[in-house]
Amino acid sequence: DTEVTQTPKHLVMGMTNKKSLKCEQHMGHRAMYWYKQKAKKPPELMFVYSYEKLSINESVPSRFSPECPNSSLLNLHLHALQPEDSALYLCASSQLTVNSEAFFGQGTRLTVV
Amino acid sequence: AQSVTQLDSQVPVFEEAPVELRCNYSSSVSVYLFWYVQYPNQGLQLLLKYLSGSTLVKGINGFEAEFNKSQTSFHLRKPSVHISDTAEYFCAVNQMDSSYKLIFGSGTRLLVRP
Repeated sequence: DTEVTQTPKHLVMGMTNKKSLKCEQHMGHRAMYWYKQKAKKPPELMFVYSYEKLSINESVPSRFSPECPNSSLLNLHLHALQPEDSALYLCASSQLTVNSEAFFGQGTRLTVV
Repeated sequence: AQSVTQLDSQVPVFEEAPVELRCNYSSSVSVYLFWYVQYPNQGLQLLLKYLSGSTLVKGINGFEAEFNKSQTSFHLRKPSVHISDTAEYFCAVNQMDSSYKLIFGSGTRLLVRP
């Protein structure tokens, strides 16, 4: 199984809502990532978890809250988002060696209204 | 600090023609290099990677890339493209230290016309 599964595929939420994005992998990868991708732009790294601990936070606003409940799951909790947060949110995972490629999920298309 | 430059934002090409997508990197240390493809409304898929050894790397879907250390380049090539190759292509670099941060180029849209 070389898949990274993200749910939901699409999400529309209001600025006062609370929602969560979910990501799951069963490849035994100990590094997991959240990326944000705006239209016609490359992915931008948001968070990196290694061994279920947050190791990199790229100065992301606190309205985005990551969580890694176990080595297979990664969540991104969303609260009080702004319309400019609308984007494709990509989850990825990799082995914990820098020569390992990242495996990406299909993404969650988020629209904030 | 490392960076990746993809000079061409869009490359139009006719079906069955050859194509080259350019990527240049900047780093003070040795790097690992990757090419990813993103089809519309999908995630990223690895095409190929350079870690060490032979400078010519073959990937999936008939793509290959050549690592050139003196020119700090990692250009992607395909001898004959198909309509289905229309997608966004990203070059990415990862430094040989403890960082797990992939640095992406701005992307090149390959548009294959019949």
